[in-house]
Amino acid sequence: ETGVTQSPTHLIKTRGQQVTLRCSSQSGHNTVSWYQQALGQGPQFIFQYYREEENGRGNFPPRFSGLQFPNYSSELNVNALELDDSALYLCASSIAGLGIGDTQYFGPGTRLTVL
Amino acid sequence: DAKTTQPNSMESNEEEPVHLPCNHSTISGTDYIHWYRQLPSQGPEYVIHGLTSNVNNRMASLAIAEDRKSSTLILHRATLRDAAVYYCILRDTRGSTLGRLYFGRGTQLTVWP
Repeated sequence: ETGVTQSPTHLIKTRGQQVTLRCSSQSGHNTVSWYQQALGQGPQFIFQYYREEENGRGNFPPRFSGLQFPNYSSELNVNALELDDSALYLCASSIAGLGIGDTQYFGPGTRLTVL
Repeated sequence: DAKTTQPNSMESNEEEPVHLPCNHSTISGTDYIHWYRQLPSQGPEYVIHGLTSNVNNRMASLAIAEDRKSSTLILHRATLRDAAVYYCILRDTRGSTLGRLYFGRGTQLTVWP
């Protein structure tokens, strides 16, 4: 069973640009969550997708959007990049419906730098 | 979401036990206590979770106070590979089971050889 993978590993963009980050969930996992982790902070929940539909969003503006595909992959899109968007972006997959014990499996993250 | 309080940092020597505390005085009856850890340059990984009773697994033990307002993650013999940030998280069982995780700043554990 392969783990959660993310691409690219690192990315440098300039203010105002748009970026797409990709995640491949573990096989059979129907839920993916995205988190933003600023330096020295814990991860902050961005949003979650369940069976290809958004299922909850944290305190992030609409320029953060996502997609989940039937093949267990997903994307995080950020428009109009700002300097404060520089962070490590993590995706986590899990199997919904198993109750509170559903473990979330995290990928290694994508380090985004906005200049 | 219910908040947790953890010390910013702790230190231990290799092969000694480590007790990582977490306070959650506003915990509700439906909140599970979860622990994740994040090794350097990696995403977080699940460690253990519990509701009321103490729990053990191959990685650690979780001791939960009788009033559930605090808990302690116990690493029985710390190794250098246990150096990480440890997060104590409360997860609500009500409503959707598609629970998302709300992280604090965690405890940075340093293990000395």
